[in-house]
Amino acid sequence: EAGVTQSPTHLIKTRGQQATLRCSPISGHTSVYWYQQALGLGLQFLLWYDEGEERNRGNFPPRFSGRQFPNYSSELNVNALELEDSALYLCASSSLGTGGQPQHFGDGTRLSIL
Amino acid sequence: AQSVTQPDIHITVSEGASLELRCNYSYGATPYLFWYVQSPGQGLQLLLKYFSGDTLVQGIKGFEAEFKRSQSSFNLRKPSVHWSDAAEYFCAVGNSGNTPLVFGKGTRLSVIA
Repeated sequence: EAGVTQSPTHLIKTRGQQATLRCSPISGHTSVYWYQQALGLGLQFLLWYDEGEERNRGNFPPRFSGRQFPNYSSELNVNALELEDSALYLCASSSLGTGGQPQHFGDGTRLSIL
Repeated sequence: AQSVTQPDIHITVSEGASLELRCNYSYGATPYLFWYVQSPGQGLQLLLKYFSGDTLVQGIKGFEAEFKRSQSSFNLRKPSVHWSDAAEYFCAVGNSGNTPLVFGKGTRLSVIA
């Protein structure tokens, strides 16, 4: 069974640009979560999608947005990139749309802002 | 609101020694509890989970954790650490509602010969 896949592995952008990160969940999983892992800050919850709807959102500005497609894959968009957006962005999926389900993680997209 | 505290930022143990990583949570009802491990440059891998029942749960790679309601703790243990266990370990708490998992800030484990 294929795990959670994320693309690209690395992404280099400059300030003010826009970035799109993609995630394919484990087959059969309907929930997708996005996290930001900046150096020394642990995992910060960004967004949670389930069955195509946004279920919950973390404390991030509106320039962080995303969507979930009918096949349950998801993309995270970050507009007007700032230096502080440099981080590892992790996607996770789970089989049910409730908060207590174990999440399965991809290996992340390393976003570097120059 | 749920919260997780991992009091130890960094722990160093000798190979073959026992290990205990601490995790304390805050949640009003019975929580769902998880331990994850992250190797450098990789995502998080689920080690074990507790939902209900037996308070001592076994996980992968020889890890176990014990849920102690009276202490609001869910400490991770391993009787004999291997060099390959060096990684970052995250404790997380969840519930059955619409709130996502809450992760602790992690404990970095170093293993020395």
